[in-house]
Amino acid sequence: GAVVSQHPSRVICKSGTSVKIECRSLDFQATTMFWYRQFPKQSLMLMATSNEGSKATYEQGVEKDKFLINHASLTLSTLTVTSAHPEDSSFYICSGRGLGEKLFFGSGTQLSVL
Amino acid sequence: QKEVEQDPGPLSVPEGAIVSLNCTYSNSAFQYFMWYRQYSRKGPELLMYTYSSGNKEDGRFTAQVDKSSKYISLFIRDSQPSDSATYLCAMSPITGGGNKLTFGTGTQLKVEL
Repeated sequence: GAVVSQHPSRVICKSGTSVKIECRSLDFQATTMFWYRQFPKQSLMLMATSNEGSKATYEQGVEKDKFLINHASLTLSTLTVTSAHPEDSSFYICSGRGLGEKLFFGSGTQLSVL
Repeated sequence: QKEVEQDPGPLSVPEGAIVSLNCTYSNSAFQYFMWYRQYSRKGPELLMYTYSSGNKEDGRFTAQVDKSSKYISLFIRDSQPSDSATYLCAMSPITGGGNKLTFGTGTQLKVEL
C-alpha cells in the first residue's frame, strides 16, 4: 500500500509554544490531506481537510488560527499547533487520499503539552 | 444517534478462533466501506475496502456488506495474537472529491494464547 510518513512521532513542549507536524506521501500524490485528532480509546475526529494549493477546510469547533494547515505541494502537508496548551495534548494523525476513496494514514504524532 | 455504531469491546478470543467484528450505520448515502487496523499509538492501517454488497476475501480476512440492512462485518479466521489491535470501520458517500470518512469508535480485540 501507499506510504505516508509523519514526523515527529512524539513531541513534548511547554505551554505557549508552537509545534509543527509534517506529513509526506512517499509514493503517491495526495491532492487531499486530512488531519485527525484521537483521544485515548476514542475514534478519529476529523479536524480539517486540505487540498493542495488552497486553504484548508476546518470542521466545526476547530480553531483555524490555532491549528494552521499548509498543503503547499502534492506530497507535503503540515499542521502547526500554535500557542499549545495542555488541553491540546492528543494523538494527531494525517492521511492522504490516493486512488478512489482509499485513505492512507501516517503513523501519528503524540503531542504532550506541559 | 451516531451515523456509525460500533461495539467498543474489548473482545477477547483464544488463538485460532474466528472473530466477527461489526458496524451498523444510518446514512444510506454511504457506499464505500473500509476496515482499518490500529495498533496502540500508531496510525490506522487499511485492511479491507469494498463498495458493493456481498463478501470480499483477502487471506484470513473477509469483509461483508449488507446495504439493505446497513450492516457491515469483518471476519478474521485463524486469529493470531498479532491480530490484537483496535479495528475501525469507516465509510463514505459515493460522491467524489475529497470525501470525508466517517469512522466507528473501534473495537478492541485481544487474541490470547
